[in-house]
Amino acid sequence: DQQVKQNSPSLSVQEGRISILNCDYTNSMFDYFLWYKKYPAEGPTFLISISSIKDKNEDGRFTVFLNKSAKHLSLHIVPSQPGDSAVYFCAAGGSGTYKYIFGTGTRLKVLA
Amino acid sequence: DSGVTQTPKHLITATGQRVTLRCSPRSGDLSVYWYQQSLDQGLQFLIQYYNGEERAKGNILERFSAQQFPDLHSELNLSSLELGDSALYFCASSADRVKRNTIYFGEGSWLTVV
Repeated sequence: DQQVKQNSPSLSVQEGRISILNCDYTNSMFDYFLWYKKYPAEGPTFLISISSIKDKNEDGRFTVFLNKSAKHLSLHIVPSQPGDSAVYFCAAGGSGTYKYIFGTGTRLKVLA
Repeated sequence: DSGVTQTPKHLITATGQRVTLRCSPRSGDLSVYWYQQSLDQGLQFLIQYYNGEERAKGNILERFSAQQFPDLHSELNLSSLELGDSALYFCASSADRVKRNTIYFGEGSWLTVV
């Protein structure tokens, strides 16, 4: 049972436009969410996180939105840059669990 | 550089063999996580240790085992290797508070079983 889902395996966006990456989760006990970026042959790099007490967190060009009622979070990248081309993973963790569950990732390609 | 060090970076071995992957967490981090990423797959959680003790277990095969030593480094032992065990194995670490903590990944150990 996949508790964290990223239903879009890939996404292409024009440079300068907004990239929106989506993530859905099923476990209502999750209360902390993270986004990671991964380049080929490298480890995932932490981007941004959000706690369930918030519905938005912003860090530079990256904003994460959390909709608890829909069990949905999204990562917005504005403006998108070619260097943002990578695989993006969302992860969830929370009360009663010591582990983080990752989605299967979305491959973002930003076209110059 | 995340501060998490994994060795070896690449390893090729034959079926039936045993290998050990090593991880040194970030300075001060007490928690170590192991994840497996197979081709085109997401990151599958294997196991987590906190200050030397197993804290959580995921989809880890019985042929695999791990431990965390008093100096906090961790080792993942993979035995009776099969072709399907070929994957990228990541170690991650986090600070002493287990919940609501960012985990930082190493660059991974790429295992190829032939």
